[in-house]
Amino acid sequence: DTEVTQTPKHLVMGMTNKKSLKCEQHMGHRAMYWYKQKAKKPPELMFVYSYEKLSINESVPSRFSPECPNSSLLNLHLHALQPEDSALYLCASSQDPASGLTDTQYFGPGTRLTVL
Amino acid sequence: AQRVTQPEKLLSVFKGAPVELKCNYSYSGSPELFWYVQYSRQRLQLLLRHISRESIKGFTADLNKGETSFHLKKPFAQEEDSAMYYCALRGNQGGKLIFGQGTELSVKP
Repeated sequence: DTEVTQTPKHLVMGMTNKKSLKCEQHMGHRAMYWYKQKAKKPPELMFVYSYEKLSINESVPSRFSPECPNSSLLNLHLHALQPEDSALYLCASSQDPASGLTDTQYFGPGTRLTVL
Repeated sequence: AQRVTQPEKLLSVFKGAPVELKCNYSYSGSPELFWYVQYSRQRLQLLLRHISRESIKGFTADLNKGETSFHLKKPFAQEEDSAMYYCALRGNQGGKLIFGQGTELSVKP
């Protein structure tokens, strides 16, 4: 399995809902990432997990809560979102950020989130 | 400061014409540079890494440290090359990728 998968593909939620996004990879990668992407804009890094520990939080509001239950799985828990949080949420994985030049990030297809 | 600049938001060429997508970077140290491509309704895909010095789908990119550039080139553009292209720099903070603003390439028949 050489892909990063994400579920669901699409999600519509109200501002009071609680939902979760899921990301999975079976490439043995030890780093996983969450990005937010608005239309025709570059991805913006949100969180990085390295060896199942949160290593980077780019000052993301607490209504976004990441979780890494094991090395293959990454979740993003959503609560009390705002309409401006509507975007494509991308997950990525890489072998090991400490491995230097060989480390490359591979992206999932994304979850398109709409907050009403 | 670590920064990636793609000066062209939109680049439009005719099929068969040469294409060059510009990327300049600012980084103190040895940079790790990538080109990613995002076709309509598809995932962001790695196109090239500077360390690989390879050619993918006819595209090449050479790192020019003197000009701090990593321009993407293809001698003969195809319609299927139409997509959004992002240049990215791997910073020194735990694998963080710094993306340029992207260039939308449109190849007309």
